[in-house]
Amino acid sequence: DTEVTQTPKHLVMGMTNKKSLKCEQHMGHRAMYWYKQKAKKPPELMFVYSYEKLSINESVPSRFSPECPNSSLLNLHLHALQPEDSALYLCASSRNRVNQPQHFGDGTRLSIL
Amino acid sequence: EDKVVQSPLSLVVHEGDTVTLNCSYEVTNFRSLLWYKQEKKAPTFLFMLTSSGIEKKSGRLSSILDKKELFSILNITATQTGDSAVYLCAVEAVGWETSGSRLTFGEGTQLTVNP
Repeated sequence: DTEVTQTPKHLVMGMTNKKSLKCEQHMGHRAMYWYKQKAKKPPELMFVYSYEKLSINESVPSRFSPECPNSSLLNLHLHALQPEDSALYLCASSRNRVNQPQHFGDGTRLSIL
Repeated sequence: EDKVVQSPLSLVVHEGDTVTLNCSYEVTNFRSLLWYKQEKKAPTFLFMLTSSGIEKKSGRLSSILDKKELFSILNITATQTGDSAVYLCAVEAVGWETSGSRLTFGEGTQLTVNP
C-alpha cells in the first residue's frame, strides 16, 4: 500500500456519465499531480497543483477537470469521456522543494464503454 | 523537447543473475534523475540522483549518474522473481521549484526474472 490513496480502484462508465476520481495524501506534500498511463507506456503528466493552485495543464481536453479543495485532496472530474480515455489514472504528490521525489498512488483503472 | 531513452526495453534473466538497465537523456537544465519500479500498480520510488559519480545503494539495487555523458545505470545483483517489474527512468528539469516538479519518463524496461 502507498501513502497516496486513490479511489475508486476501478471505474467503468459510459460516454455520457459524469464521475470523479479522488486522491488523498497526509504527508504534508504541497504539490500534487495527475498522470494518465496507457498499457505498456510510461505515465504522461496531465496536471500539477502547487499550493492548491493549478500550475501546469498539459493541454488536457476540457472533459477532464481537476480540482484541489485543500492541501490533502485532489479530484479529477470526468464528463463526456471517449473510449480512448480508458487508461490507468495515477495521482502523485511531492514536497514543493527541490530534489523531492514524487510518490504515486495505486491508480484508478478507468474503462469507458 | 526533453527526451529519455531506456534500454533494453525488455530483458529476461534467471534468478541469481545480475542485470544492468540503462537510461540516457537529453534535458534542458537538468536537475535530477529518478528511478521507479512499477509492478501492477503504483510506480515505487527507488533512487534520486543529482550528482555525477556518487553511487546510490539500497540492498541489491544500486544506481549511478554520469552528467557528462548524460546517462544513468541501475544495477540489480542476485535477482529474484520479485524483481520482475517495469523499471522507469525519469528526469526532472530546473525551473519548476515553485510549481511542483515536471518529470519526463522513458518507455521503461520490462524485467522478467525466471526461477
